[in-house]
Amino acid sequence: DTEVTQTPKHLVMGMTNKKSLKCEQHMGHRAMYWYKQKAKKPPELMFVYSYEKLSINESVPSRFSPECPNSSLLNLHLHALQPEDSALYLCASSPHRQAEAFEQYFGPGTRLTVT
Amino acid sequence: AQSVTQLDSHVSVSEGTPVLLRCNYSSSYSPSLFWYVQHPNKGLQLLLKYTSAATLVKGINGFEAEFKKSETSFHLTKPSAHMSDAAEYFCVVPGKLIFGQGTTLQVKP
Repeated sequence: DTEVTQTPKHLVMGMTNKKSLKCEQHMGHRAMYWYKQKAKKPPELMFVYSYEKLSINESVPSRFSPECPNSSLLNLHLHALQPEDSALYLCASSPHRQAEAFEQYFGPGTRLTVT
Repeated sequence: AQSVTQLDSHVSVSEGTPVLLRCNYSSSYSPSLFWYVQHPNKGLQLLLKYTSAATLVKGINGFEAEFKKSETSFHLTKPSAHMSDAAEYFCVVPGKLIFGQGTTLQVKP
């Protein structure tokens, strides 16, 4: 199974809502990533988890809160978002964090719209 | 610092004609380099990767790329474009998670 799944596929939320994005992989990968992607732009790295520990936070606002409950699951908790946070949120995994030779496997993304 | 530059933001070809998507890198050493493809509203999929072994790398769907240290380039090619190749393509330095700005490939019938 080389699949990364993400739920939900689409999410519309108001600026006062709290919601969560979920990502799951069963490839035994020990590194997991959250990216934000705006239209016609490359993915921007947000967070990296390595062996269930947060190893990189790319100065992401605190209204985004990641969580890695176990090696297969990655969540992104959302609270008090702004309209400019509307984007495609991609999850990825790789065997290890030192990805010089390891490809990342990407999920299909969650299309988030903040109203 | 390492970086990648994709020289064309948009490339348009006719079906059945060759494809060339250009990527130059900047690094003090020979980095690993990957090409990913992203179809509309989908995640990214690895096309091929260079990791300091053979300089000519073959990938999926008939794509290949050649690592040229003298030119600091890793251009992606395909002999004959298919309609299904229409997508966004990213050149990536995997270790540093550095993405190029992307090239949109349009394939005309």
